[in-house]
Amino acid sequence: KQEVTQIPAALSVPEGENLVLNCSFTDSAIYNLQWFRQDPGKGLTSLLLIQSSQREQTSGRLNASLDKSSGRSTLYIAASQPGDSATYLCAVRYWANNLFFGTGTRLTVIP
Amino acid sequence: NAGVTQTPKFQVLKTGQSMTLQCAQDMNHNSMYWYRQDPGMGLRLIYYSASEGTTDKGEVPNGYNVSRLNKREFSLRLESAAPSQTSVYFCASSEYRGSTEAFFGQGTRLTVV
Repeated sequence: KQEVTQIPAALSVPEGENLVLNCSFTDSAIYNLQWFRQDPGKGLTSLLLIQSSQREQTSGRLNASLDKSSGRSTLYIAASQPGDSATYLCAVRYWANNLFFGTGTRLTVIP
Repeated sequence: NAGVTQTPKFQVLKTGQSMTLQCAQDMNHNSMYWYRQDPGMGLRLIYYSASEGTTDKGEVPNGYNVSRLNKREFSLRLESAAPSQTSVYFCASSEYRGSTEAFFGQGTRLTVV
């Protein structure tokens, strides 16, 4: 069974700090990996999608990297802001299969 | 641009009652999904529809049924609700099942008492 792990489960940082969220997966034969943001009581908002042939994707202050051989992805957030406070989920898709989700990292950015 | 719309947003059921969760997408996507989210367990797939006219079981299908009414709409039915089905339910869609970005609705918070 494919497993997706996100460590730490919770993280608090002061405003302005750069930070890295981690995602690891047991089966490296992924098709793509997607990072989502979830605000309390809300749905999931897609942040970045990385195809298996890509090493990284960038959107504004966000940069996601993918290392299939080691079964890892990281989400880098530059110059964090209180508005970045949310739960960040990674999800892995295998060929013609469905998304497998991690349990998320709850980020708090302290003003 | 509405994206994926779920109704209702909140629901309280008594054990044994039935209900249907509705989902509609306006992105002309082929594939649609139902997930449940429970504390400490992440999102788990209940059922999916790879294309109009097809439905398949996901990881946790017991106690649920689905209907892909047309390309836009995918409903989830609880025939006899149980307390173990208390959860937050999310509908999602993607252009195709395998390769593209998935978009999610805002969720339905269901409590079974």
